[in-house]
Formats: sequence, structure tokens, C-alpha cells
Amino acid sequence: NAGVTQTPKFRILKIGQSMTLQCTQDMNHNYMYWYRQDPGMGLKLIYYSVGAGITDKGEVPNGYNVSRSTTEDFPLRLELAAPSQTSVYFCASSYSRGAPTDTQYFGPGTRLTVL
Amino acid sequence: EDKVVQSPLSLVVHEGDTVTLNCSYEVTNFRSLLWYKQEKKAPTFLFMLTSSGIEKKSGRLSSILDKKELFSILNITATQTGDSAIYLCASNSGGSNYKLTFGKGTLLTVNP
Repeated sequence: NAGVTQTPKFRILKIGQSMTLQCTQDMNHNYMYWYRQDPGMGLKLIYYSVGAGITDKGEVPNGYNVSRSTTEDFPLRLELAAPSQTSVYFCASSYSRGAPTDTQYFGPGTRLTVL
Repeated sequence: EDKVVQSPLSLVVHEGDTVTLNCSYEVTNFRSLLWYKQEKKAPTFLFMLTSSGIEKKSGRLSSILDKKELFSILNITATQTGDSAIYLCASNSGGSNYKLTFGKGTLLTVNP
């Protein structure tokens, strides 16, 4: 049971490039989330999904896109990377039923630098 | 807009000290409050609090929620260098989405 996995661990992009951050969970969670964490700023929600085929914007969605074609995968797409997107990105998932429904389990993170 | 404020933002103590970390929240449709510990990588879950006045305890860590005054505290007794981390507080605003709003975190440094 690997939990939540993310790839890549590190990436450097040039301004204007695009990339996809991968996230997979093997816990059969319906709920999945993408956060970014800037130094001293806590975590901010980018997008979330309550199940396959259903996604919605979080607090800071601009410049990102997501899709959820399967329960396991929730990739985050960056189009036209900008320096402001330099951050650490965390994917998380949580149970849809049962207890504890509110606990989110986090992946190890992707450190992205845009130059 | 949901808001979670943690204090202090950073704290330096010596091994053996007891620390109290604070978290206040303003959340519509409050469902629960969570504490996470973040070392070098991903946040790891510590506690989930839903009811006022009921202390959750795990070893040297404990936490309690006050829903009337809208705050929670995380206590760590007999601190160890391994407790050095960022401690994150998050509120769950309920509804069908289970979204968490995080505070900025408290950076705790425990010196030997």
C-alpha cells in the first residue's frame, strides 16, 4: 500500500513551458486535492475532486488545470509556466465514506522552480 | 472567506520544555479542525477535533478545541529535538466538499 504518490519530485521549468504533475493514490479514496505551499504561507487549495469525472476550483486555480478520469489518478497541468508558480505542490486524498472522513493523506510533494 | 490563524509563527525552545501552539478559525459550516506535523516533506496527520472540551492525546502531544471561542491549542510536553517541525492547523468547512483551509503554520525548533 503506497498511499499517495507524486511524480516528479523536482522539476525546473522555463517561463512559458508546460508540464503535468502526476498524483496517484491506491486507497480507493473518492476525494483528491491539489495544494501549493509557498514559504511561510501554509497550504493553499488549487483544485479538488469529489470523484472520477468531477472537479472544482479551489482558492488559487488560475494557471492550472486538472482532470480526473479514474479514481486513482488526479494530474495537475501547468500551462505557460510563470515564476509565480514556483512552489511545492502537494497532492492529497481522503475517504468519501466512513471515519475519519476528514483526514487528508498527503503525497511527498513536487518542488517546482520556474526560471 | 474561511480563515485560520496560527500563533506564534515560530518558536524556539530547549529540550524538555512544554510548548503550546495556538490556532483560531473563522469558518462557515464548521465541521472539524485538524492538526498536522510537517517535517521535511508532506504533512502527517496528528489530530482531528470535532467537539468542544474533549482532549485528544497521543503520547506527549495533546489537543483541545473550543467551539465557542473558535480556537484550538496543541500542547507538546517534554519536547525533543525530533519534535522540530512546522505544525499546521486546518479547518474543514463541511458541506459535501471536505475542503480544508490551512493556517500558515508554526515553525517549532527544539534545541538540545
